[in-house]
Amino acid sequence: EVQLVESGGGLVQPGRSLRLSCTSSGFTFGDYAMGWVRQAPGKGLEWVGFIKSKAYGGTAEYVASVKGRFTISRDDSKSIAYLEMNSLKTEDTAVYYCTRTLIIMKGGAFDIWGQGTMVTVSS
Amino acid sequence: DIQMTQSPSTLSASVGDRVTITCRASQSISNSLAWYQQRPGKAPKLLIYKASTLESGVPSKFSGSGSGTEFTLTISSLQPGDFATYYCQQYNSYSRWTFGQGTKVEIK
Repeated sequence: EVQLVESGGGLVQPGRSLRLSCTSSGFTFGDYAMGWVRQAPGKGLEWVGFIKSKAYGGTAEYVASVKGRFTISRDDSKSIAYLEMNSLKTEDTAVYYCTRTLIIMKGGAFDIWGQGTMVTVSS
Repeated sequence: DIQMTQSPSTLSASVGDRVTITCRASQSISNSLAWYQQRPGKAPKLLIYKASTLESGVPSKFSGSGSGTEFTLTISSLQPGDFATYYCQQYNSYSRWTFGQGTKVEIK
């Protein structure tokens, strides 16, 4: 079964750091770009960023509001994607979803999503 | 960044109705558009990609059309499970993809 499972969420104080993990199974992880999407309580979806597969250079892109604070990385040997979040702000409070896309087939359309992990930034 | 604007924000409809949701891009995105359905408390589900290609396993009552800056998602014959929030997403280039603000389809 194709699956993405996020972990690492929780309560963190403003200014602190947190690292989310996305563990995949059921597909060839290295072939896919991996993305992160967040949803603040009661709000819509916000694209956070994604990391390309090694075949496309393995580089990452980010939404302007997190650029310089968040870093997406991947370990293809473990089939895990990471979202390192630094200098967290209260407005980063959201459910964070891990997603995947096969760019050559679906561009940036995310066809598999994790269940989400809640990040609460509060003092 | 490319802005995506959905209309309406809320749509009231009855079981059996045919509904259409519109998504407009602030600049041309060719056909680089996806549609998602999100039920309360659940992760989004991909319905359509490349503006009009139905994702595997998605019923054919969902259809998408458009290119450039204007796109539509049509749901024929609404069923109880279709009452949800729908989002469009552009992925025109390898940077800064964006979602629309969402359209909630509720029971009239």
